Amino acid sequence: DIQMTQSPSSLSASVGDRVTITCRASQSISMYLNWYQQKPGKAPKVLIYAASSLQSGVPSRFSGSGSGTDFTLTISSLQPEDFATYSCQQSYSTPYTFGQGTKLEIK
Amino acid sequence: QVTLKESGPVLVKPTETVTLTCTVSGFSLSNGMMGVSWIRQPPGKALEWLAHIFSNDEKSYSTSLWSRLTISQDTSKSQVVLTMTNMDPVDTGTYYCTRIRALTGSYFYWFDPWGQGTLVTVSS
Repeated sequence: DIQMTQSPSSLSASVGDRVTITCRASQSISMYLNWYQQKPGKAPKVLIYAASSLQSGVPSRFSGSGSGTDFTLTISSLQPEDFATYSCQQSYSTPYTFGQGTKLEIK
Repeated sequence: QVTLKESGPVLVKPTETVTLTCTVSGFSLSNGMMGVSWIRQPPGKALEWLAHIFSNDEKSYSTSLWSRLTISQDTSKSQVVLTMTNMDPVDTGTYYCTRIRALTGSYFYWFDPWGQGTLVTVSS
């Protein structure tokens, strides 16, 4: 199975900050990498697919980059509604696997 | 509007078999390369992919759980069913079903949208 490792596991930031979350795959996955946002008690929602494609309806302050084994999710200017848990997921091969999540909290 | 809704027992006993049903609307399970996945999340923990099924009946399972899982679909009812045998307290969590989206002409897959999830508790 491909292991996905996110860093950091948690992060405190303020409204307006620029934030970057990293995801590393245990082997090359080309650009088969998706990012999800999850708020407490809710189902995850896709933000970015294929490493850098913004899902329709997602604000442009979210962006993704990377290929191979190293990927990043960037939020250019944090808004109050962005405080949530973010997870990466590889779709290169089954079993599809997720990172452990990064909890973004208000400073 | 595409929606998915999970249903199943809230409480199961250890060693029992649980059957979860995902009822979809807004798309047809028999059209093109439509697919549905099941994903679970123990309380406070990470998401774990369990299985998927596509309209051509292609199936795939979690490496660690494959012997306990069976996924099937009833296109006439717009339902995807997941059966998990020999339930254990560590299987407690929220179980989600989600549509598999794909970039046209590629194997770039992602999960969207997700159902609201159904919480399954395993306890005697």
